[in-house]
Amino acid sequence: KQEVTQIPAALSVPEGENLVLNCSFTDSAIYNLQWFRQDPGKGLTSLLLIQSSQREQTSGRLNASLDKSSGRSTLYIAASQPGDSATYLCAVRRPIQGAQKLVFGQGTRLTINP
Amino acid sequence: DAGITQSPRHKVTETGTPVTLRCHQTENHRYMYWYRQDPGHGLRLIHYSYGVKDTDKGEVSDGYSVSRSKTEDFLLTLESATSSQTSVYFCAISAVNLQGEPQHFGDGTRLSIL
Repeated sequence: KQEVTQIPAALSVPEGENLVLNCSFTDSAIYNLQWFRQDPGKGLTSLLLIQSSQREQTSGRLNASLDKSSGRSTLYIAASQPGDSATYLCAVRRPIQGAQKLVFGQGTRLTINP
Repeated sequence: DAGITQSPRHKVTETGTPVTLRCHQTENHRYMYWYRQDPGHGLRLIHYSYGVKDTDKGEVSDGYSVSRSKTEDFLLTLESATSSQTSVYFCAISAVNLQGEPQHFGDGTRLSIL
């Protein structure tokens, strides 16, 4: 059974710092890995999706990497801003055709202090 | 933002009563999903649909049923609600089987069973 773990559960850093969020998964047979952002009382917003054949994806100040062999992904946030404060979730997609059966980690709650 | 509307957004009801949550999409996506989000468990898949009248179970389907009579609507029903079903419920959608297509989420329904 696929299990996804995110460490740390919470992180608080001053504005301007570069930071790394970690995601690990137990089964390397994945279709893709997705990083989401969740604001309080809101749904999830997709940030980056890394396909199983890729090593990394970038969007603005965000960079996500994937190492399937070690079962790890990292989300790098450059020059953090207070608006980056949210919960960040990673999810792996099982290698099944058709529907996207995602297995989620429990998230890292990020606070950026002005 | 993806056109996903969940209703109601909040509901309080009593144990033993039937409850139906609605998810409506305007994207004409084939796949629709229902998740629940609980502290300590993250998001878990309840049921999903891969077309009109085509549904299947997720990892936590006991006590829930679903129906999809139109492409745009996916209903989640708790036949006899229990306190353990108090949770935040999210609907998500995805397009046809494209490896690079992320899931898109609604804003959630907060359900309290007293």
